Amino acid sequence: AQTVTQSQPEMSVQEAETVTLSCTYDTSESDYYLFWYKQPPSRQMILVIRQEAYKQQNATENRFSVNFQKAAKSFSLKISDSQLGDAAMYFCAYRSALDSGGGADGLTFGKGTHLIIQP
Amino acid sequence: NAGVTQTPKFQVLKTGQSMTLQCAQDMNHEYMSWYRQDPGMGLRLIHYSVGAGITDQGEVPNGYNVSRSTTEDFPLRLLSAAPSQTSVYFCASSPGQGYGQPQHFGDGTRLSIL
Repeated sequence: AQTVTQSQPEMSVQEAETVTLSCTYDTSESDYYLFWYKQPPSRQMILVIRQEAYKQQNATENRFSVNFQKAAKSFSLKISDSQLGDAAMYFCAYRSALDSGGGADGLTFGKGTHLIIQP
Repeated sequence: NAGVTQTPKFQVLKTGQSMTLQCAQDMNHEYMSWYRQDPGMGLRLIHYSVGAGITDQGEVPNGYNVSRSTTEDFPLRLLSAAPSQTSVYFCASSPGQGYGQPQHFGDGTRLSIL
């Protein structure tokens, strides 16, 4: 079974600065997908960014970018020019590219990092 | 476009009661799933479906039943509620078999079992 670990329960950053959230995962598979989801106090789960494991190029979405290190099984999220609206829980998630069945389908989430933005 | 709609948003039950959490999507997605979110934990998969008439268990299926009679609807049933089932429940959907596709989440149902 895959596991996802987010080692930072809470992070704080000054508005307009850059912050990096860490995520590591454990898998024996070579083909998979990785995601970062944002959950603001409204409780919605909002997709931030998606990475395909077979692509070496790091995904980027505006101020959000990832550092994907496949060999190290690391998938960190960098938020540039932090804004007050970025304050939220951030979840890293893994999804196999194979139909493994037996209850193993679906997203595997980390426990989350609470990001605080200091004005 | 409503996306994924969950009802109710909040519910309080007594131990032993049964209820159904509703989930509907209007995006014609084949893949639908249910997760629960407990304090200090990420979301954990309860059940999922890859199409009408097909369901399978996730990581934490005990105490929950599902069925998928239509593409649009994927209800989650608690047969005999227990305090351990107090949680926030999310329904999600995605196109095709869903592997690499981002999942669209509903707004969640906060369920308290007394």
